[in-house]
Amino acid sequence: DGGITQSPKYLFRKEGQNVTLSCEQNLNHDAMYWYRQDPGQGLRLIYYSQIVNDFQKGDIAEGYSVSREKKESFPLTVTSAQKNPTAFYLCASGDRGSPLHFGNGTRLTVT
Amino acid sequence: KQEVTQIPAALSVPEGENLVLNCSFTDSAIYNLQWFRQDPGKGLTSLLLIQSSQREQTSGRLNASLDKSSGRSTLYIAASQPGDSATYLCAGGTGGSYIPTFGRGTSLIVHP
Repeated sequence: DGGITQSPKYLFRKEGQNVTLSCEQNLNHDAMYWYRQDPGQGLRLIYYSQIVNDFQKGDIAEGYSVSREKKESFPLTVTSAQKNPTAFYLCASGDRGSPLHFGNGTRLTVT
Repeated sequence: KQEVTQIPAALSVPEGENLVLNCSFTDSAIYNLQWFRQDPGKGLTSLLLIQSSQREQTSGRLNASLDKSSGRSTLYIAASQPGDSATYLCAGGTGGSYIPTFGRGTSLIVHP
């Protein structure tokens, strides 16, 4: 089955630690996206990548980093510089003109 | 920059009602518009995708329309069921780099 896999589903970290969220897709999509969702908010774009080895900052990139070394993978690192990292993180992939596909999300809690 | 607004923010209806969810966008040079469903604690599931050259799309009890000139899209749900309870989000992508911008969603409760 084609789809997007995000892991882990739940993640707990202490303040000051970096943490990496995994996102893998087997849909052969060129473009991948990371969004953050907070209660009562829409999805806010963190980073996106439209081709391997290239990525761009979204609206709220500060405190986050990404890599795109393979077409299938787009991991997101939440660094200690992110002031309010507790949130629901969603990864998506899609190509122009086709529906956007989402993973099931990772809920990160930082204490 | 594209901005997307959804109204109402929340809606509660009895089972069987036909209902309309609204989505408005600021940039009429929209590439396509997509409607999603999100269940609590889950990712988003694509419902309908309307290309800029289309006026509407239908899937089962769902019908979505797109009016670029007025900057609006509507999602029509016929004969609502309790299983339709979820948050519905729309997202518009502007041409060029096509970055989907999301509205905040409409939280729908259909009670028996």
